[in-house]
Amino acid sequence: GENVEQHPSTLSVQEGDSAVIKCTYSDSASNYFPWYKQELGKRPQLIIDIRSNVGEKKDQRIAVTLNKTAKHFSLHITETQPEDSAVYFCAASRAGKNYGQNFVFGPGTRLSVLP
Amino acid sequence: DADVTQTPRNRITKTGKRIMLECSQTKGHDRMYWYRQDPGLGLRLIYYSFDVKDINKGEISDGYSVSRQAQAKFSLSLESAIPNQTALYFCATSGGGDTQYFGPGTRLTVL
Repeated sequence: GENVEQHPSTLSVQEGDSAVIKCTYSDSASNYFPWYKQELGKRPQLIIDIRSNVGEKKDQRIAVTLNKTAKHFSLHITETQPEDSAVYFCAASRAGKNYGQNFVFGPGTRLSVLP
Repeated sequence: DADVTQTPRNRITKTGKRIMLECSQTKGHDRMYWYRQDPGLGLRLIYYSFDVKDINKGEISDGYSVSRQAQAKFSLSLESAIPNQTALYFCATSGGGDTQYFGPGTRLTVL
């Protein structure tokens, strides 16, 4: 089955700097890669996702890149702000109505943005 | 996201007790999921359901059972709770797309 690794487990950056979190996956059939943000005591919420037919996707200060050959994808946050402090989870799955959308999540990265 | 609710939000119980966690959604989604979250392990899938008649085991289903009472309701049961089932449990739903929407979570402690 799918296995997702995520690095680093913790990341501290100064406000205004960039943060990069990297995930690797094992199942070459995975084609959907979401990123979730979980603030302390709250539920995970989708912040961005990417499909295997796209190499990069951007939404304001957040971007995700995908390298299918190497089977890794990364989250990039630019101009970090204190409210970006949270735990970030990547996931991989086979998307589409014929599949179970069985997300396999990475273990998470705790991002701290220092003022 | 108030469209996905979970009850109870917190529960403390003793080893051997039967526990039921409930999830309800008003999003009209067909698919519902139960996850368990442990520190350093991320979210792991326990069970998922495509519709009322379709229930499937996830990665860590041993020790758990589920019931899909209606399209909007999906319950998770621990028949005989044990301490290593102490965790944060999340319900999630998805509709025609791939995005999963999570409930607020239930913190379960088994003594």
